[in-house]
Amino acid sequence: AQSVTQLGSHVSVSEGALVLLRCNYSSSVPPYLFWYVQYPNQGLQLLLKYTSAATLVKGINGFEAEFKKSETSFHLTKPSAHMSDAAEYFCAVSHNSGGSNYKLTFGKGTLLTVNP
Amino acid sequence: DAGVTQSPTHLIKTRGQQVTLRCSPKSGHDTVSWYQQALGQGPQFIFQYYEEEERQRGNFPDRFSGHQFPNYSSELNVNALLLGDSALYLCASSEQGASDEKLFFGSGTQLSVL
Repeated sequence: AQSVTQLGSHVSVSEGALVLLRCNYSSSVPPYLFWYVQYPNQGLQLLLKYTSAATLVKGINGFEAEFKKSETSFHLTKPSAHMSDAAEYFCAVSHNSGGSNYKLTFGKGTLLTVNP
Repeated sequence: DAGVTQSPTHLIKTRGQQVTLRCSPKSGHDTVSWYQQALGQGPQFIFQYYEEEERQRGNFPDRFSGHQFPNYSSELNVNALLLGDSALYLCASSEQGASDEKLFFGSGTQLSVL
């Protein structure tokens, strides 16, 4: 069985401040890890994914995440928050990066608000 | 290039009724997955269709069924609706065997059961 836990259902930062969204995973096999963003009334958009090629993964919109096996973590960061980053963020885990078994298990999400 | 499209965007039903939700995958994609996102929760995997067959299924009762058509579009059917079925239903598509396979999500169908 696999699962993810997102610490903090709501994170609030000031514009220009560091964004840190936490995700810990549980998996009995080497995991594939993902971060998705969901803007109001929209579907999920992939920010980045880890597939064992490199532990530091760079994504879109200036976000990056670091896979730490010893800590079973995959935290999402951005050096400087922008107002447009306000959204809900989901961490997800999969056994496969693709193929017929491509099934994601999501965390409960973290709502990011950015204050001017 | 149209992305994943879902219809309708909103739907209101009453308990005991049946509902059908529709999804057209992104151009070039042949696999469709359905997820249920309850309020304040992350999406939960319902099932996945490829080559017109259900390939994987999550922990959902048989009231939830689906279909995939030869053009790769898909339907999600829910029978005997319960209040707890109220949620955002997301469709996601992907291309089997792509070198960098990714899931693309639609904007969802918001289902309210009264």
